[in-house]
Amino acid sequence: AQSVAQPEDQVNVAEGNPLTVKCTYSVSGNPYLFWYVQYPNRGLQFLLKYITGDNLVKGSYGFEAEFNKSQTSFHLKKPSALVSDSALYFCAVRDGSAGNNRKLIWGLGTSLAVNP
Amino acid sequence: GAGVSQSPSNKVTEKGKDVELRCDPISGHTALYWYRQRLGQGLEFLIYFQGNSAPDKSGLPSDRFSAERTGESVSTLTIQRTQQEDSAVYLCASSLEGTRNTEAFFGQGTRLTVV
Repeated sequence: AQSVAQPEDQVNVAEGNPLTVKCTYSVSGNPYLFWYVQYPNRGLQFLLKYITGDNLVKGSYGFEAEFNKSQTSFHLKKPSALVSDSALYFCAVRDGSAGNNRKLIWGLGTSLAVNP
Repeated sequence: GAGVSQSPSNKVTEKGKDVELRCDPISGHTALYWYRQRLGQGLEFLIYFQGNSAPDKSGLPSDRFSAERTGESVSTLTIQRTQQEDSAVYLCASSLEGTRNTEAFFGQGTRLTVV
């Protein structure tokens, strides 16, 4: 069965420090992986995706994520955190293989707090 | 339109009344999702429409919930005999599957309050 795990409910970092928000997944076919951000009282915004190609993908607001097939992970990273990055982050996966169930599967979210 | 549009943005209803929520997906998007999100919580999957395939209704919490989609256009989520525990934000998302441009785009949601 397809699944996504975000092992940390909350991540706290100091402004200017690097941040990592973890995500691991399980799919039977080719993984298509996504990160979204939700600011308070706002809708979900797409940050970045991995479909194929380079394992390191860059997205909006200086975020990047690294696809690691052997560890089935897709951790979100940023070299230097900003207070304005404080938000709820969601990882999602779907099976990109033709003929398979393509429904998006979501993690439960990680609340990121960046302290000034 | 350019994005996913949901209406109404806010809905207050009395317990026991029926409500209908609307979602206009991005034109041409074959997939459409409905989710429920309680304050500060994750996304609770409700239903998934993909083209002409039978919808995945596995997330609907009870038979009071139903959803329809006409072709690849508008979808409506109906909640009958609303209960206070139905209060939440209902999010709709659409995506174009089968291509690399496959990320889902979300509407701003409908905030439902049952009093």
